[in-house]
Amino acid sequence: AQKITQTQPGMFVQEKEAVTLDCTYDTSDPSYGLFWYKQPSSGEMIFLIYQGSYDQQNATEGRYSLNFQKARKSANLVISASQLGDSAMYFCAMREGRGTGRRALTFGSGTRLQVQP
Amino acid sequence: EPEVTQTPSHQVTQMGQEVILRCVPISNHLYFYWYRQILGQKVEFLVSFYNNEISEKSEIFDDQFSVERPDGSNFTLKIRSTKLEDSAMYFCASGVGGELFFGEGSRLTVL
Repeated sequence: AQKITQTQPGMFVQEKEAVTLDCTYDTSDPSYGLFWYKQPSSGEMIFLIYQGSYDQQNATEGRYSLNFQKARKSANLVISASQLGDSAMYFCAMREGRGTGRRALTFGSGTRLQVQP
Repeated sequence: EPEVTQTPSHQVTQMGQEVILRCVPISNHLYFYWYRQILGQKVEFLVSFYNNEISEKSEIFDDQFSVERPDGSNFTLKIRSTKLEDSAMYFCASGVGGELFFGEGSRLTVL
């Protein structure tokens, strides 16, 4: 079974609008972390946001917020006020286990976001 | 802002040659990783390194791969005898606690 599922291979959004990128995950471990990364066409992986499974509040970083719904095992990324520079591939990833600092991330297949003027 | 740096940004090599990819992790980080991404595909975990030893490795990380932290700052990935299917973007990452930061990647092309 896929540990991370991103069901939207591609998304379009108008500049200045908000967009939600979906991510669902599968784990039986009560302790895990969820990540979102942005990969522009230049190829680098840019860390956006992190949510721990025990965090009480949804993570936010500037225009990025993570809509964490634990019971549904979903960790959707919300980008508010989209900008042309947000056009990129977006990856959701998970790390499982307590003391998880050293554990590997499992990545989803990504969603390509295109922001239109 | 501190960042993970990788060299070279792009390397072209002949099949069967040895390649060393270099990384300088963020200085106070404790955990170091190599991942790879074949063009158009998912990012795949290769190996993690903690306390001067490998803490976890994937099936991809076979005997042709090795990692070292030779001098307390650099973290290297060696591919002993490259194959065509090793062509990919290789990412180094480092972390402490929850967050994990990636370098800009080293694109390896095996001819």
